[in-house]
Amino acid sequence: GDSVTQMEGPVTLSEEAFLTINCTYTATGYPSLFWYVQYPGEGLQLLLKATKADDKGSNKGFEATYRKETTSFHLEKGSVQVSDSAVYFCALSDGGNNAGNMLTFGGGTRLMVKP
Amino acid sequence: NAGVTQTPKFQVLKTGQSMTLQCAQDMNHEYMSWYRQDPGMGLRLIHYSVGAGITDQGEVPNGYNVSRSTTEDFPLRLLSAAPSQTSVYFCASSPPTGGLVNYGYTFGSGTRLTVV
Repeated sequence: GDSVTQMEGPVTLSEEAFLTINCTYTATGYPSLFWYVQYPGEGLQLLLKATKADDKGSNKGFEATYRKETTSFHLEKGSVQVSDSAVYFCALSDGGNNAGNMLTFGGGTRLMVKP
Repeated sequence: NAGVTQTPKFQVLKTGQSMTLQCAQDMNHEYMSWYRQDPGMGLRLIHYSVGAGITDQGEVPNGYNVSRSTTEDFPLRLLSAAPSQTSVYFCASSPPTGGLVNYGYTFGSGTRLTVV
């Protein structure tokens, strides 16, 4: 079945540091890939997405490139801020036999940014 | 737009009690789903629906029931609460895929449920 593996946290960085959160996936079809962010006490918000190989999703300074050859979708940001502290989830939606485009999530990575 | 609205935000139940978690969306989305979030396990799909009158089971459906009588509402029922159902529950909705475009899901703010 489909699965998503992302690096365990917490990841602790100083403000303005470079961020990478690794995400790799296994899927039988041609999935769409997503990064969601969860701020403390809130629900999940869609951060960015990519729907086909070599697409780059970007939003709020974050970006991730859909790499089919390495089955990866790593999240990057050049300069993190304290306000980026949150839990980040990588997810996929495998459109093959997936009625409803259901999401399969990774376990989440907590990011803590110190001033 | 209110988006996806979940009620209540917090709930404490005794073992064996039943309750319904409410979810409503005002975006005319056809797809709706329920997830539970447990520490270190990400989110796991409980039940989902691809339209009014159509529901199906996800990864962890046992102990839960759903129905979808309208496009807007997708309640989740706990039949007989157990401590293992202590979790944070999220409802989400999405428009159907348009061609190659997958719009992703919009999530509610969650219901934190404790079963004692």
